[in-house]
Amino acid sequence: GNSVTQMEGPVTLSEEAFLTINCTYTATGYPSLFWYVQYPGEGLQLLLKATKADDKGSNKGFEATYRKETTSFHLEKGSVQVSDSAVYFCALSENTGNQFYFGTGTSLTVIP
Amino acid sequence: DVKVTQSSRYLVKRTGEKVFLECVQDMDHENMFWYRQDPGLGLRLIYFSYDVKMKEKGDIPEGYSVSREKKERFSLILESASTNQTSMYLCASSPPSGLGQPQHFGDGTRLSIL
Repeated sequence: GNSVTQMEGPVTLSEEAFLTINCTYTATGYPSLFWYVQYPGEGLQLLLKATKADDKGSNKGFEATYRKETTSFHLEKGSVQVSDSAVYFCALSENTGNQFYFGTGTSLTVIP
Repeated sequence: DVKVTQSSRYLVKRTGEKVFLECVQDMDHENMFWYRQDPGLGLRLIYFSYDVKMKEKGDIPEGYSVSREKKERFSLILESASTNQTSMYLCASSPPSGLGQPQHFGDGTRLSIL
């Protein structure tokens, strides 16, 4: 079956620190992979995506590379800001199906 | 930009009431979804729909039903609300399956059942 596992939170970092949030997946086919971000009191927003192996998704300084050999899609940012404080969700969708499979979310707090 | 609108941001109801949560999308998407979000459990799929008048059970459909009379609107119904249905409810929509098609989310409804 399909599933997503992401690192447990919460994560607390100082401003300008390097961020990594780990995400691994299990899929029966060839999924697309996504990172969503949820700011306090809001719904989920698409942050970035990758649709095939070795693709790199990027947006707002965040990056993630689709690694088929390790079934991973780790989220990274070189220098976090206070405004990056949010909950981050890793997700996958099978390209032949309509459902998404989400990780449990990782809460990030960035302190000045 | 895709807009998914949920009718209420906050809602307080009493045990036993019938509760309606409404969701409207403006991008003519075929697929619509209802999730609930609870701390430590992430998003859990309640129901989804691929077309008008069509519905499929998700992972946790018990105590819920849905209605999709028009393509743009997908309603979640709590038949007889209970305290364990206190949660954040998120609606999402997406185009038909295809490479990299994301789901688009509303801002959520925080529902409290007293």
